[in-house]
Amino acid sequence: RKEVEQDPGPFNVPEGATVAFNCTYSNSASQSFFWYRQDCRKEPKLLMSVYSSGNEDGRFTAQLNRASQYISLLIRDSKLSDSATYLCVVKWSGGFKTIFGAGTRLFVKA
Amino acid sequence: DVKVTQSSRYLVKRTGEKVFLECVQDMDHENMFWYRQDPGLGLRLIYFSYDVKMKEKGDIPEGYSVSREKKERFSLILESASTNQTSMYLCASSWGQIQETQYFGPGTRLLVL
Repeated sequence: RKEVEQDPGPFNVPEGATVAFNCTYSNSASQSFFWYRQDCRKEPKLLMSVYSSGNEDGRFTAQLNRASQYISLLIRDSKLSDSATYLCVVKWSGGFKTIFGAGTRLFVKA
Repeated sequence: DVKVTQSSRYLVKRTGEKVFLECVQDMDHENMFWYRQDPGLGLRLIYFSYDVKMKEKGDIPEGYSVSREKKERFSLILESASTNQTSMYLCASSWGQIQETQYFGPGTRLLVL
């Protein structure tokens, strides 16, 4: 079993749609959680951190469920520019161990 | 803005060659990382460094070595390139503790023939 698992997609959605991605992690000692965005042939960039109480940044909402060991990302009112691969990232406590999921591809079409 | 640069965007090498990939960051970050990214596998950590002259193995260090002689520079060395090392190589840096954001360079796409 992979330490961090994501549905690879692709998710094909029309502009204006709401789309949600889930990510599960296997290590209950995981401490920090993030979503990164990676455009085609570009480097990953931080989209948002994920806090225990859930957090929102504009059209993006991130949730953490420690009991079930998953995090989620919700994108509302999708834009063409949201088309990218979204990487789930989990960091373990006590060191520099960072695990990247393989990513979920999103295509938003007009 | 944090800037992480990598010496080459594209590189073609032959099997058995020694390959050097260089990474430079301009934000005085303590931590630097080398990953490779392959389809379906995500980013996998090769080596990281939390200080000058310090290095730690990541998940897939075999066939690679690293050097950090200066804080801003972290080099990845393929001692004898093999075809299974064809990949996208990404360097990243971060400041301080594990919850800090990692900033990535643009990547080097390496093809080993």
